[in-house]
Amino acid sequence: AQSVTQLGSHVSVSEGALVLLRCNYSSSVPPYLFWYVQYPNQGLQLLLKYTSAATLVKGINGFEAEFKKSETSFHLTKPSAHMSDAAEYFCAVTLNNAGNMLTFGGGTRLMVKP
Amino acid sequence: NAGVMQNPRHLVRRRGQEARLRCSPMKGHSHVYWYRQLPEEGLKFMVYLQKENIIDESGMPKERFSAEFPKEGPSILRIQQVVRGDSAAYFCASSEQKGVLETQYFGPGTRLLVL
Repeated sequence: AQSVTQLGSHVSVSEGALVLLRCNYSSSVPPYLFWYVQYPNQGLQLLLKYTSAATLVKGINGFEAEFKKSETSFHLTKPSAHMSDAAEYFCAVTLNNAGNMLTFGGGTRLMVKP
Repeated sequence: NAGVMQNPRHLVRRRGQEARLRCSPMKGHSHVYWYRQLPEEGLKFMVYLQKENIIDESGMPKERFSAEFPKEGPSILRIQQVVRGDSAAYFCASSEQKGVLETQYFGPGTRLLVL
């Protein structure tokens, strides 16, 4: 079985500061990992996904994430936060033998201060 | 190209009533997934359907919940005799094909409130 843990349910940064959202996974087989963003009262939008190719994955809106097998992590980063980045971010995992089921972490709400 | 459509966006029901949530996948997508998001929690997988088939319902509560995806029309998530604990946001996602690398595109969700 797979699971995802997102450390920090709330993260607050100043505009222009580095964004770091943490995600650790647990799985018995190589995982496929995703980051989604959810704006208020909207559905989830895919930011990026790791599919066992390059370990550093670049996504939309300047976000990127690095897969680190030794640390079982897939942290999301952005060099400089914008006010428009304020949203909830979800890390998710699926396995090759898990069909199409995504397992989500609890989410991290990102707040950006002016 | 319209995205995943869900209706209604908000639904209020009294305990014991039935709730019907509809999901129209993106054009050309034949795979539909339902997830539930309880307050302050992440999304939890409920069911995965293809046209006229339930592929995986391992996340569905054993009673009162059912889902279908008919040959024609939207996918329906049906909750009978709702209870307060069913209050949540229900999200539908769709993908074009089966496979872990197929991106799931999410709808805006239906927020169910049970009084």
